[in-house]
This record gives sequence, C-alpha cells and structure tokens, in this order.
Amino acid sequence: DVKVTQSSRYLVKRTGEKVFLECVQDMDHENMFWYRQDPGLGLRLIYFSYDVKMKEKGDIPEGYSVSREKKERFSLILESASTNQTSMYLCASSLWDSISYNEQFFGPGTRLTVL
Amino acid sequence: GENVEQHPSTLSVQEGDSAVIKCTYSDSASNYFPWYKQELGKGPQLIIDIRSNVGEKKDQRIAVTLNKTAKHFSLHITETQPEDSAVYFCAALYSGGGADGLTFGKGTHLIIQP
Repeated sequence: DVKVTQSSRYLVKRTGEKVFLECVQDMDHENMFWYRQDPGLGLRLIYFSYDVKMKEKGDIPEGYSVSREKKERFSLILESASTNQTSMYLCASSLWDSISYNEQFFGPGTRLTVL
Repeated sequence: GENVEQHPSTLSVQEGDSAVIKCTYSDSASNYFPWYKQELGKGPQLIIDIRSNVGEKKDQRIAVTLNKTAKHFSLHITETQPEDSAVYFCAALYSGGGADGLTFGKGTHLIIQP
C-alpha cells in the first residue's frame, strides 16, 4: 500500500516563526502536492511538484514556498507564519502517467495553529 | 482557472436510503473527475472516478454520472450504511500534459441516520 506520512499531526507556532512541514511518500511517485483544508472552503492547492527540484504554483501560493530535494520528500515552508495560515495541511502524491491520470494518495494531515 | 461547485454542503439520510451529491465545473477542457471520501481524522481517499469519455461508472453501491454538455457530475450512493458517514469531495482536473493539482469542491458532510 502507498503510504504518505507527514511529520506532525498537530503543530503550534507563533506569528513570525519559520515553519517547516515535511511529507514523505514510499511509492516512488513523481508527483507531490500540498493542499490546505479550511471549513467551508474545501481543499485548495498551494504548490505541486512533478520531479525533484521542480515546483509549480497552485491556486494559493502566497506566503508559502516548497522544497523537493529528494523524490520521496516534499517540504512546505512558511517563511513567516501568520494567524491566517492556521489550517489543516494535506500532502498528497501520485504516479505520473502520460496517458491516464492517477489517484492522489493523501497523508493524514497536519493541523497547524499560529498564535 | 477551473471552478467546482458542490451541493449540498450537508446531507442527512436514513440508513438504507440513497444519497446524491452534485457538482458543476466551469472549464470545458477538464477531463477527469474523481470523488474522495474523508473520514474523521484521516486524509481524503479516492472512492471512484470518471473520465470525460464515459457517461456513467458504477462500483457496487457507488455510481458516478457525468454530463459534459451541462458540465455537471454526480455521486450516487445506494443502500446507505453507517460507515458511509463522512465528508465527500468532488474534483476536476485539466491536464496540459504534466502533473496538475485537482480543483476540489467545498465538500459535502454526509450523515447517515440510524
């Protein structure tokens, strides 16, 4: 089974802190994604990556950056955390196929609270 | 970009009855429509998907229909059971040949009443 793990289930940080959220997948997937989930807003794509060192902006990249130095690891970085970044963060991965689209596998999420 | 509308936001049905969740999308170039189920404390998990060259797909008690002309698709769950209680998300994807993120609806909280 594909497993996507996230470094923390719960995280509490202070305004202005630099925050790192780590995601690791064990199935050699090319694609990795970061979403945030907020009540009434569903899941919104922050960034995605289709290869090592490659990254693409999603719908809401402002205030975030990402890093993909190894194929299995995709990090989300909040350079200076703000209270409006309090949210549930979900990481996902998928296998890229040029002909068909493939299932995205999600991690359990990290609930980040910024005080 | 793509915009996905999902209704209703909350749906309560009696155990054994059917549940229907509806979604509309804006980009006629979207060609892949998955449905995800999210149980409490877990990440979303794919339950069924449909591609634009198919009008209907069924998997046991779950079915999805797609109307490309009207740009809407629906999830149908028959003979609902307590374990169907969860938040369901529809999504749409337009791929330009690389990897693109899904555009999700806002979710439907399905409650199965015993």
